[in-house]
Amino acid sequence: EPEVTQTPSHQVTQMGQEVILRCVPISNHLYFYWYRQILGQKVEFLVSFYNNEISEKSEIFDDQFSVERPDGSNFTLKIRSTKLEDSAMYFCASGGTPEVFGPGTRLTVL
Amino acid sequence: GDSVTQMEGPVTLSEEAFLTINCTYTATGYPSLFWYVQYPGEGLQLLLKATKADDKGSNKGFEATYRKETTSFHLEKGSVQVSDSAVYFCALSSRDNTDKLIFGTGTRLQVFP
Repeated sequence: EPEVTQTPSHQVTQMGQEVILRCVPISNHLYFYWYRQILGQKVEFLVSFYNNEISEKSEIFDDQFSVERPDGSNFTLKIRSTKLEDSAMYFCASGGTPEVFGPGTRLTVL
Repeated sequence: GDSVTQMEGPVTLSEEAFLTINCTYTATGYPSLFWYVQYPGEGLQLLLKATKADDKGSNKGFEATYRKETTSFHLEKGSVQVSDSAVYFCALSSRDNTDKLIFGTGTRLQVFP
């Protein structure tokens, strides 16, 4: 069964550093998403991506965040200057109704 | 805006007990409704879904019925197992141009032998 993969599984970084989280969506899917889950809290929508551009973004997705599909298979989330409050599990998803989620990347900002 | 409200946990049950986790929603239009499950240390897995009123989603003994009149999508299982211990998330997809999911806060289920 096709699956969404994410790397790394755990990323530790210093505050102010840039991080790139990587995802490989399911190959024939057209919509891609990033969500985040702060420890013990609910899963929150960050951004959706379709036809090589952002189709919707939440209030959380400010100028520090960006997404890219650099090579037709990978889908990346970049955080330019990480803050302590960016510590969370980040989930990539692809498809739609329903979305298929990857296993997540745990980001720890120190 | 659209939202999902779930009962707070944790829900603690003995094996073979009956489970209900309540979920209600607020949405414009007619959303699709989902239950996702998150086992310890893992990602989100789709458990079941319903795309229109009166649809019943079912999987692995779990069921939920899309009730438009009460805007609810309660999750039920007749006999839980220890292996069902997880966090359960109710979610809706508002069928706008992105199909993004809006999640409830999650309900932790703990089943003891």
